[in-house]
Amino acid sequence: GAGVSQSPSNKVTEKGKDVELRCDPISGHTALYWYRQSLGQGLEFLIYFQGNSAPDKSGLPSDRFSAERTGGSVSTLTIQRTQQEDSAVYLCASSLDSATQYFGPGTRLTVL
Amino acid sequence: AQKVTQAQTEISVVEKEDVTLDCVYETRDTTYYLFWYKQPPSGELVFLIRRNSFDEQNEISGRYSWNFQKSTSSFNFTITASQVVDSAVYFCALSEDRDDKIIFGKGTRLHILP
Repeated sequence: GAGVSQSPSNKVTEKGKDVELRCDPISGHTALYWYRQSLGQGLEFLIYFQGNSAPDKSGLPSDRFSAERTGGSVSTLTIQRTQQEDSAVYLCASSLDSATQYFGPGTRLTVL
Repeated sequence: AQKVTQAQTEISVVEKEDVTLDCVYETRDTTYYLFWYKQPPSGELVFLIRRNSFDEQNEISGRYSWNFQKSTSSFNFTITASQVVDSAVYFCALSEDRDDKIIFGKGTRLHILP
């Protein structure tokens, strides 16, 4: 069956550019989460959506990071004015019962 | 504050040996969930198991087994008769509410040598 999908799988950008990362959750999953994985910090929570609203944005590292979710489905994570420390793998997860999260393959972001 | 500690950074064992991955957690909540995820070289996080705090029964799934002990705040994972395909990074994780973010440990990199 279809799992969580993310695009692009790889993104290389120059410092200062904006990037958009996309997540398609498992069909019917109401909860959606963004995490990032980097060598120094491990796996970190960024933001959580229930439907289209985001009750927990506590993990967003700065105001350069934002995310939205439309139609209770697809979500976009936007990073403005990218910095080298933003380089990481960005992981999306979705959940039906809000307890078990299923992860996508991630987007590897490299900021030059 | 919630925290997950995986003290073993890296483990190497020879194929067919048994191996246990340790996990210790901290939480002030009485209701919480514990998880194990596997991250093979391909990079995708694969869900293995979820336990809630009220269910201390140990679980076995094929060659995998999990030992949950609230008294020691531990949730250890054992692979019996390890295989090369078990080589991966394994993450123990905790969430304090059904809708809550997952807090991950740093992971244990497991090498199964042929």
